[in-house]
Amino acid sequence: AQSVTQLGSHVSVSEGALVLLRCNYSSSVPPYLFWYVQYPNQGLQLLLKYTSAATLVKGINGFEAEFKKSETSFHLTKPSAHMSDAAEYFCAVSPFGNEKLTFGTGTRLTIIP
Amino acid sequence: GAVVSQHPSRVICKSGTSVKIECRSLDFQATTMFWYRQFPKQSLMLMATSNEGSKATYEQGVEKDKFLINHASLTLSTLTVTSAHPEDSSFYICSARDWREFGKNIQYFGAGTRLSVL
Repeated sequence: AQSVTQLGSHVSVSEGALVLLRCNYSSSVPPYLFWYVQYPNQGLQLLLKYTSAATLVKGINGFEAEFKKSETSFHLTKPSAHMSDAAEYFCAVSPFGNEKLTFGTGTRLTIIP
Repeated sequence: GAVVSQHPSRVICKSGTSVKIECRSLDFQATTMFWYRQFPKQSLMLMATSNEGSKATYEQGVEKDKFLINHASLTLSTLTVTSAHPEDSSFYICSARDWREFGKNIQYFGAGTRLSVL
């Protein structure tokens, strides 16, 4: 069975500051890990994914995430926040070879001007 | 990029009526589509996996007679909430997998449908 925990339902950062959104997972088999972003009234958009290759994954819009097996974490970061980054972010996990996604509860990111 | 259109975006209906939600892949063929339900401040919960030309696979605890899924073509899947009741009010989201990307675990999501049952 798989599960995802996103620490912090709301995160606020100043424009230009570091963005750090936390995600911890639980999986009985090697996982695939994903970060999705959802803007208001839009569908979820894939930011990046980890599929057992490089542990540091770079995504769109300057985001990246690092897979740390020892910590069962897949935190999302961006060096410098932009106003357009304000959105809801979801971490998700699927077992290797299985398409079913298990989502976290989401983190709403607010950017302070 | 791959686009998934979901319609309607919002629907309000009376208790006891049925509501159909459409999910279309606009620029790719989708042999597999997924239906999720999202409650306020909760995560997306997978309801069922829809495969073109075959019966949908429902997750444990999801009533198949309540939530009818039809995936009759490679670009369209529909979810019908039958005899809707207020407890069925929720945000329903579909996603689709491009058949050319089999094994890549990439799903493209629609914008969701907000269902309110009075």
